[in-house]
Amino acid sequence: GAVVSQHPSWVICKSGTSVKIECRSLDFQATTMFWYRQFPKQSLMLMATSNEGSKATYEQGVEKDKFLINHASLTLSTLTVTSAHPEDSSFYICSARDMRGGRQPQHFGDGTRLSIL
Amino acid sequence: AQSVAQPEDQVNVAEGNPLTVKCTYSVSGNPYLFWYVQYPNRGLQFLLKYITGDNLVKGSYGFEAEFNKSQTSFHLKKPSALVSDSALYFCAVRDGDGGATNKLIFGTGTLLAVQP
Repeated sequence: GAVVSQHPSWVICKSGTSVKIECRSLDFQATTMFWYRQFPKQSLMLMATSNEGSKATYEQGVEKDKFLINHASLTLSTLTVTSAHPEDSSFYICSARDMRGGRQPQHFGDGTRLSIL
Repeated sequence: AQSVAQPEDQVNVAEGNPLTVKCTYSVSGNPYLFWYVQYPNRGLQFLLKYITGDNLVKGSYGFEAEFNKSQTSFHLKKPSALVSDSALYFCAVRDGDGGATNKLIFGTGTLLAVQP
């Protein structure tokens, strides 16, 4: 079945550090990937839609300069949290959908637990 | 705008008993509905979807869901719950016409606790 790989699964770093998270579709191509943020015991909040070869589309209230998204190929999108601070600590999840669209569901990575000290 | 509601924060059920996790939706046009499950510190796993066709949809791990247009509901069900089914369940609706860029809109999630 369709698999989305997300790396790293867990990051602990100092305040002010920039952190890059990778999201790969392993057995399908995705022109679009999605980045979510999840707070404890809450639902997923869509941060941005990553578009291959073009700029990401950010949801209202999400700082594009803070959360840099690059979607350089049909199988890889990256999210960089720039100059991370403790309030950026969260669980970040990516998802991707087969570019053929139609009845394909979104498939999710296993998430990245980001802890900023 | 599309939306889904999960009215229960938590559902408790004894192992072996049937379970139901509720979801209602609000859409303009045809609904594309999904159920996902999330285990602790993991991403979401796809369980099943309704696009069109039979109102009873069968999915992974013995789960099924019934699409009810008149009640605008898409409840998740399983005839006999297992302790290993304990997890967080999300209902979702796809925003748009089914194209690859259409985003999912999630409910608030329901924590299912199955007691031995």
